[in-house]
Amino acid sequence: QVQLQESGPGLVKPSETLSLTCNVSGGSISSYYWSWIRQPPGKRLEWIGYIHHSGGTHYNPSLKSRVTMSVDTSKNQFSLRLDSVTAADTAVYFCARETVYGEFVDWGQGTLVTVSS
Amino acid sequence: EIVLTQSPGTLSLSPGEGATLSCRASQSVINDYLAWYQHQPGQAPRLLIHDASSRASGIPDRFSGSGSGTDFILTISRLEPEDFAVYFCQQYGSSPYSFGQGTKLEIK
Repeated sequence: QVQLQESGPGLVKPSETLSLTCNVSGGSISSYYWSWIRQPPGKRLEWIGYIHHSGGTHYNPSLKSRVTMSVDTSKNQFSLRLDSVTAADTAVYFCARETVYGEFVDWGQGTLVTVSS
Repeated sequence: EIVLTQSPGTLSLSPGEGATLSCRASQSVINDYLAWYQHQPGQAPRLLIHDASSRASGIPDRFSGSGSGTDFILTISRLEPEDFAVYFCQQYGSSPYSFGQGTKLEIK
């Protein structure tokens, strides 16, 4: 079973950029698809998008204009960048391993990111 | 975007009882690409069921999924103490993927 661990700042100021990294262990990142998912307080989960190890991406249209994902196969990790954040971006952010069909077979524990000045 | 509505919001049961959780989609889920997850607070969510009725690797057979189209059910027979958690469904037949709001299964 693959283990995933999110890391990054827990506090980001409004209008700045949220950056998170997901470290993958117990398996190679050079297979499957790798996703970011978030859950704002009291709300349902929201899929942000995925990246393939080749670098191909697919983002949720609701966030597409602000999202960039990247993958570093040498470090076995992938990253999320969300620009111009507001309080509405406050959430627990999860990284996950996704099959080619779209279900999430492995998840990280999640990391809380708060957007506040 | 497909909206998934789960019911009930909270389910109070005792260990040993059976549980039935519902997930209804606003439109038909393509290929019945519907998954169920279990989420314990502070832990990573765990995939239980994919493709509406296929158990994921290592999942006990007391968990079963059924349904097709717009109506899906997760059944847990003979509840164990570790089964009390939040359960959510996800559709991956259409982009963007979407999730239900969750059902909290609590000890009565």
